[in-house]
Amino acid sequence: DAGVIQSPRHEVTEMGQEVTLRCKPISGHNSLFWYRQTMMRGLELLIYFNNNVPIDDSGMPEDRFSAKMPNASFSTLKIQPSEPRDSAVYFCASSSLGGHEQFFGPGTRLTVL
Amino acid sequence: GENVEQHPSTLSVQEGDSAVIKCTYSDSASNYFPWYKQELGKGPQLIIDIRSNVGEKKDQRIAVTLNKTAKHFSLHITETQPEDSAVYFCAASIGNQFYFGTGTSLTVIP
Repeated sequence: DAGVIQSPRHEVTEMGQEVTLRCKPISGHNSLFWYRQTMMRGLELLIYFNNNVPIDDSGMPEDRFSAKMPNASFSTLKIQPSEPRDSAVYFCASSSLGGHEQFFGPGTRLTVL
Repeated sequence: GENVEQHPSTLSVQEGDSAVIKCTYSDSASNYFPWYKQELGKGPQLIIDIRSNVGEKKDQRIAVTLNKTAKHFSLHITETQPEDSAVYFCAASIGNQFYFGTGTSLTVIP
């Protein structure tokens, strides 16, 4: 199994631009999680899906952030417009529904100038 | 909500010595406690976990203990090796939601 796949691995953009991060969960996993990691706040859960349905988005910082999961094998996290304080590493993780272990992707390092 | 505290934030040990990282949690509803290892430039990887109905679990050089009454759990690494150097995160889980500690940067000095 290839594990959780994220793209791009690195993204550098200018303030005000739209950013789209992508994730492919492990095949057969029904739950998908988006996290943000910064030095100041550590690992924060932004949103998670069960069976492609958003369950809890209380961690999404602002309306500028949105996430979708159109099918079981793909999810996006979009920031529009981006701001310098959005600079962080964004991780996607997946797990089987009812299972506990979450498998993390390699992350996308976002830099907003 | 759940609050997880992790100590120490940095830890240096000599190769071959033991390392201990401690976490506390606040919500007695938490029932699953994983430990993740994160190497530079990579995503966190699960190294060991424990469920609330178990007090201790061991996997080779790594062990985790859980005290539900006191709401704390610990990671123990014995016979440390340079490749154990990484950032370690504890987490407490309620259902699908993980609440992570702030991480411990472990350095094993050869």
